[in-house]
Formats: sequence, C-alpha cells, structure tokens
Amino acid sequence: QQQVKQSPQSLIVQKGGISIINCAYENTAFDYFPWYQQFPGKGPALLIAIRPDVSEKKEGRFTISFNKSAKQFSLHIMDSQPGDSATYFCAAGTQGGSEKLVFGKGTKLTVNP
Amino acid sequence: GAGVSQTPSNKVTEKGKYVELRCDPISGHTALYWYRQSLGQGPEFLIYFQGTGAADDSGLPNDRFFAVRPEGSVSTLKIQRTERGDSAVYLCASSASGRRDEQFFGPGTRLTVL
Repeated sequence: QQQVKQSPQSLIVQKGGISIINCAYENTAFDYFPWYQQFPGKGPALLIAIRPDVSEKKEGRFTISFNKSAKQFSLHIMDSQPGDSATYFCAAGTQGGSEKLVFGKGTKLTVNP
Repeated sequence: GAGVSQTPSNKVTEKGKYVELRCDPISGHTALYWYRQSLGQGPEFLIYFQGTGAADDSGLPNDRFFAVRPEGSVSTLKIQRTERGDSAVYLCASSASGRRDEQFFGPGTRLTVL
C-alpha cells in the first residue's frame, strides 16, 4: 500500500517556467510534509516543509501548497533554472513515535536552458 | 559543520556474504535513521534510533538485517547472508533533539550483491 502518491514521474520545463509536482497521502495522522531534492549520487537534501496548520509556505522560488481536506500537497518552483534539474521527493511523517518519513516515488525534473 | 557521513561509499559483495555499513551522524544529533533506496524509488524506512536504543525497527525487511548504535552516535547496519535483492543505496539520516522532523541525509552507501 503506497501511502504517499507522487506525480508526475518526470517533468520537463523550460528555463523561467513554473514546475509543479503533486502528492497525495492517505494517512490522516501525517502532520509533517517535507520536500527533498536529490542530485545523482547524492543523498536527499531537505528543501522546504509544511505542517497542516497552514495552507501555503514560501521560501524563495519554492512554494508548498497544502490542502488538508483533499489530503494533497504540491511543490511549485517558480522561475525554474537548469540548476534545479534533479529528482524531487515528497514525504510525510508524524510527530511523536518514530517520526519516520514515508516518501513518494519521486519526480525527475529537467529544466531546459 | 560536517554533515552526515557514510562509509564505504560503494560496497560490492557476493551473495551469501556478510556486510557492515557505517553512519556518522551530525555531531549532537540524537536521532538516527536508516533508509533504503532502490533504483528509481523513494527512500524506504528501515530503522530509527533515539539515542542508543532502536525506537522503531518496523522497516527491517527480515532478520538478516540488524543495526546498532552502542554509544548513541555512530551506527552500523549489518546484513547477513546477503541476497541480490539487497542491492540498493542505503541512506542514513540524523536529526536534532527537539527538531526530530528535520532529517539530514548522508550521501549513502551503494551496495551491490553479485
């Protein structure tokens, strides 16, 4: 049972465009939703995260939108740059207990110059 | 400061052999996690340590997998009687007390079982 579903699997965007990656979750106990960026041969790096008490969080060119009733959240990358080309993972976790993260399958983003 | 480090970066072994993978967390981080990442997939949780004890080992696939963290810092993931299906990148992450949700990952160990 896949607890976090991520789409699309791959995405190609032109430089300066907006990249949008979507995730949906099933477990209503999740209360922490981070996004990770991973370059080939590297470990995932925490990009931005949100908790369900807010509907949007923005950090620079990266914005998370969160819809608690729909159990969906998305990552928007504004003014996408070739250096943003990487694989992006959404994840979900719960405070208390182990705080283990459940990851989506990833989206490979390519930003063409 | 130094991030999470993992050694070796690559490990090639033969089916049936025993392997140990090491993780050095960020200094002062009390929580340590092991994940496994197969090709084209997201990381999959294996085990979580809070201090020296394994607080959640529900992700370990079977009893061939074991992990320790004897002094609450360095951790070793041990895999007995390796199988070809164990081939993956093994990731370690750590987080600080009070900020356990912010997990910082190491570069991983790529394990190949021939």
